[in-house]
Amino acid sequence: GAGVSQSPSNKVTEKGKDVELRCDPISGHTALYWYRQSLGQGLEFLIYFQGNSAPDKSGLPSDRFSAERTGGSVSTLTIQRTQQEDSAVYLCASSHGAFATNEKLFFGSGTQLSVL
Amino acid sequence: SQKIEQNSEALNIQEGKTATLTCNYTNYSPAYLQWYRQDPGRGPVFLLLIRENEKEKRKERLKVTFDTTLKQSLFHITASQPADSATYLCALDGSNTGKLIFGQGTTLQVKP
Repeated sequence: GAGVSQSPSNKVTEKGKDVELRCDPISGHTALYWYRQSLGQGLEFLIYFQGNSAPDKSGLPSDRFSAERTGGSVSTLTIQRTQQEDSAVYLCASSHGAFATNEKLFFGSGTQLSVL
Repeated sequence: SQKIEQNSEALNIQEGKTATLTCNYTNYSPAYLQWYRQDPGRGPVFLLLIRENEKEKRKERLKVTFDTTLKQSLFHITASQPADSATYLCALDGSNTGKLIFGQGTTLQVKP
């Protein structure tokens, strides 16, 4: 596609519900990232997929958070039993290289998650 | 502990002046550092990458320096314009695996 696509753009949910956020990276990009950005804050790393390697999950804040990347393309970030502190913008990014050091990231516009 | 720090206070400057933003890091030895621009409601957009063996890199009105001894990068916008108003983020790969870690960003406001 022309860019990184995220859906939905906005999600309002009730505390305790599960949510799924989707990311379609740029075609051919082998690396995919998820970040979280709270209001007025910087980007908090969540998880990083690189080709067929095991993902780097070191940024996931709790076991309620998980992510998959199917077929080396689309990724889904799942948050189970959502809490109010999960409210944030969830940003997805992708990059090109097979070994993605010094590669620039292309970001989607994010999913604004609001947990009531 | 490992940290990336940027000016937390917003930077307000007059149009036409040079804006200088700072990125300091501790307990990292990155091979490169990147700068991104983020506008409200949008994802960050890549601006420049500078490698550890490069002291300075330029792109149009933008200039980035990288001092691995001071563990600091400076980002300059010359002849600033109101359209340059945005949040600027620095990022580095501390583990040389492609995993990019971002600073909290500095908001720049250029007044006409």
